[in-house]
Amino acid sequence: EAGVAQSPRYKIIEKRQSVAFWCNPISGHATLYWYQQILGQGPKLLIQFQNNGVVDDSQLPKDRFSAERLKGVDSTLKIQPAKLEDSAVYLCASSSGQITYEQYFGPGTRLTVT
Amino acid sequence: AQSVSQHNHHVILSEAASLELGCNYSYGGTVNLFWYVQYPGQHLQLLLKYFSGDPLVKGIKGFEAEFIKSKFSFNLRKPSVQWSDTAEYFCAVKGNQAGTALIFGKGTTLSVSS
Repeated sequence: EAGVAQSPRYKIIEKRQSVAFWCNPISGHATLYWYQQILGQGPKLLIQFQNNGVVDDSQLPKDRFSAERLKGVDSTLKIQPAKLEDSAVYLCASSSGQITYEQYFGPGTRLTVT
Repeated sequence: AQSVSQHNHHVILSEAASLELGCNYSYGGTVNLFWYVQYPGQHLQLLLKYFSGDPLVKGIKGFEAEFIKSKFSFNLRKPSVQWSDTAEYFCAVKGNQAGTALIFGKGTTLSVSS
């Protein structure tokens, strides 16, 4: 079974630039998550999709972050404009359901904002 | 506020030593509890999980954890660690309802010397 795919793996941008991350979940997984993991901390949920609908985006900084999951499969997370404090690893995860199902994580995208 | 506290930031052990990593959580309502592990250069992966039933749960690679509801704890244990257990370990908690976020602790780095 193929795992969660993410690209790019690394990205370096200057502040105020924009950046986009892509995620392809495990086939058949209806639930998709984006997490932000700042160095020295655990992952923090940014947004959760169930199929192509948003379930929870309460911790997404909506003034600069946006995410979409068209057709309920792939997802993109965008930051515009980026700030220094956005430097982190952005993790995508997927699961079969929302409650008792294991979340499978991708390798992450390491973003450095200079 | 919902939170997870991991007591140890960095633990250093010799091979064959016993391991116990502390985890306490603050969360109202019924919870699901998890331990995730991230080996060097690899994805986050599930080590074990508790949803209900026997509070002593067994995971992969000889790890186990005990849910003590009265203490809001879910400590991870292994009787004899190996060099290959060197990794970062994350405790996480989630409400038992659809749409609730998985909340991670800050992680504990385990270094095992051979």
